[in-house]
Amino acid sequence: EVQLVESGGGLVQPGRSLRLSCTASGFTFGDSVMSWVRQAPGKGLEWVGFIRSNAYGGTTEYAASVKGRFSISRDDSKSIAYLQMNSLKTEDTAVYYCSRDHNTPMESTYYGMDVWGQGTTVTVSS
Amino acid sequence: DIQMTQSPSSVSASVGDRVTITCRASQGISDWLAWYQQKPGKAPKLLIYGASNLQSGVPSRFSGRGSGTDFTLTISSLQPEDFATYYCQQANSFPYTFGQGTKLEMK
Repeated sequence: EVQLVESGGGLVQPGRSLRLSCTASGFTFGDSVMSWVRQAPGKGLEWVGFIRSNAYGGTTEYAASVKGRFSISRDDSKSIAYLQMNSLKTEDTAVYYCSRDHNTPMESTYYGMDVWGQGTTVTVSS
Repeated sequence: DIQMTQSPSSVSASVGDRVTITCRASQGISDWLAWYQQKPGKAPKLLIYGASNLQSGVPSRFSGRGSGTDFTLTISSLQPEDFATYYCQQANSFPYTFGQGTKLEMK
């Protein structure tokens, strides 16, 4: 079964750090592009960032709201993507989802984020 | 950044109705657009990719059209399980952006 499972969420004080994990199964993780998307309580979806596969350099892209504070990495040997969140702010409070994405120079169109985890909740509060 | 504007923000409809949701991009995005459905407390689900392609397993009552700046998602005959919030998302350039969402409610 194709699956993504996020973990690592919780309650954290402003200014502190937290690392989320996204564990993949049922597909070739190393070939996959991975995105993180968040949703603040009662709000819409906000894209956080993206990591390409190592075939495309494993490079990353970020939303302006998190650039310089958040970083995405991957461990293909463990089929895990990470979201390292530093200098957390109260406005980072949200459910964080990881997703399998399809966006490479080889694609002729955008195939979307077709697999999603169940989400993990991050609450930033003193 | 490319702004994605959905309309309406909410719509009330009945089972069997035909519903169309519009998404407009602030600049051309070709067909680099996806549509998602989200139910309360659940992760989004991919419905349409490449603006008009039905994701595997999604009922054929869902369809997408458009290219450039104007896109639509149509549900041809609403079923009870379709009441949810729908989002468009562009991937033509970074940062990805989502529309604000359209909440489809039962009349």
